[in-house]
Amino acid sequence: QMKLQESGPGLVKPSETLSLTCTVSGGSVNSGTFYWNWIRQPPGKGLEWIGSVFYSGSSKKKRSLKSRLTLSVDTSKNQFSLSLASVTAADTAVYYCARSYSTASESSWFDPWGPGTLVTVSS
Amino acid sequence: QSVLTQPPSASGTPGQRVSISCSGGDSNIGRNFVYWYQQFPGTAPKLLIYNNGARPSGVPDRFSASKSGTSASLVISGLRSEDEADYYCAAGDDFLSGPVFGGGTKLTVL
Repeated sequence: QMKLQESGPGLVKPSETLSLTCTVSGGSVNSGTFYWNWIRQPPGKGLEWIGSVFYSGSSKKKRSLKSRLTLSVDTSKNQFSLSLASVTAADTAVYYCARSYSTASESSWFDPWGPGTLVTVSS
Repeated sequence: QSVLTQPPSASGTPGQRVSISCSGGDSNIGRNFVYWYQQFPGTAPKLLIYNNGARPSGVPDRFSASKSGTSASLVISGLRSEDEADYYCAAGDDFLSGPVFGGGTKLTVL
């Protein structure tokens, strides 16, 4: 059974870069069947898709975050990563990684999810 | 403000049937599959429904869902106390070129 686990700093200063990694076990990121996604949830609020990366390194990003967001995949470590530059307090959220299927449509379902990691942007 | 619209709250008593709506538009629900997620406090969302109405293995058949036009609904029959959670709908959006979520509905079992 595939499992995903987020890791990274829990506290980031304003204007700095938020970097997170998702480690996949029980399966391989080096698969053309899946997209590897990042989704976030500000405290007490709803879910927001941030972006997804394919095993080849190609990615899709939420338009409003495109200029600040870098997504990458490391097949040798079975990991994928997120970097979000110039963060503000509005980027404070629980960040989840999740798998979805590669389809012709704009989205498939997210399953499984990592447990999530809280990132707080504060000086 | 979320692209998909859900009521912020819903409630029911044990054994009742509860429905949660999700309203969107032509670019999302109107053209793509709808998914539903269940989230308990402090935990990650869990897939409840995929492709409008299919249940993953392990999801009780008390949970059902449907889609019509640009709206969708999740129905929980035989409500149980353990169903108290937040429920989110989601769909791909052809205009925004990515998935979008509803704002979530907090279900309370009275």
